[in-house]
Amino acid sequence: QSALTQPASVSGSPGQSITISCTGTSSDVGAYNYVSWYQQHPGKAPQPMIFDVSNRPSGVSNRFSGSKSGNTASLTISGLQAEDEADYYCSSYTRSSTVVFGGGTKLTVL
Amino acid sequence: EVQLVQSGAEVKKPGESLKISCKGSASIFTGYWIGWVRQMPGKGLEWMGIIYPGDSDTRYSPSFQGQVTISADKSISIAYLQWSSLKASDTAVYYCARQRVTLVRGNYYYYYMDVWGKGTTVTVSS
Repeated sequence: QSALTQPASVSGSPGQSITISCTGTSSDVGAYNYVSWYQQHPGKAPQPMIFDVSNRPSGVSNRFSGSKSGNTASLTISGLQAEDEADYYCSSYTRSSTVVFGGGTKLTVL
Repeated sequence: EVQLVQSGAEVKKPGESLKISCKGSASIFTGYWIGWVRQMPGKGLEWMGIIYPGDSDTRYSPSFQGQVTISADKSISIAYLQWSSLKASDTAVYYCARQRVTLVRGNYYYYYMDVWGKGTTVTVSS
């Protein structure tokens, strides 16, 4: 099972919006609405930001939103803040009854 | 509070065995699946597998099948990840997390990991 494809890095200025893509196949992202996104600050454990493509866990800011089209899912962060600088990972359930993560995207807030 | 507490950092030699643990409250274990995720130095996340402590039903990623053993003791709300013979390439941070699972028409779907432990650093070096 190959990792989902994410851009290695994205950047944006405070207040701007950025979007991180996550491309899979018809056996994972394209097959199910079980895409989730995780935020990981250096030296910390990942934390869920989005599940089931577009749902936010309790306590997650509504500046974070998710969507999906075909085999590609996206995470959008609006009103970028310095604290959003972190690594972001997507993941998806797969037809093999496993979970696959993306390679991760480093978000830099300029 | 809903949390998972992982065992401390380990330094081992190649060929040695190791068992690390992940303890949760009864509320976090009962009726839920617990999973393990590997993060090698400077790399991304890799899903290793999950276990249902209630009946020890275990599912592995093909990449980790036969390489590690996931087990649990529901009486004390602890999940384990173990190796029988460590390799240098097992050096990583290992996270446990509660895997949310939904049952739809007889099939299980693992939809996200909602509670994470802080991670256990395993270093394997001669």
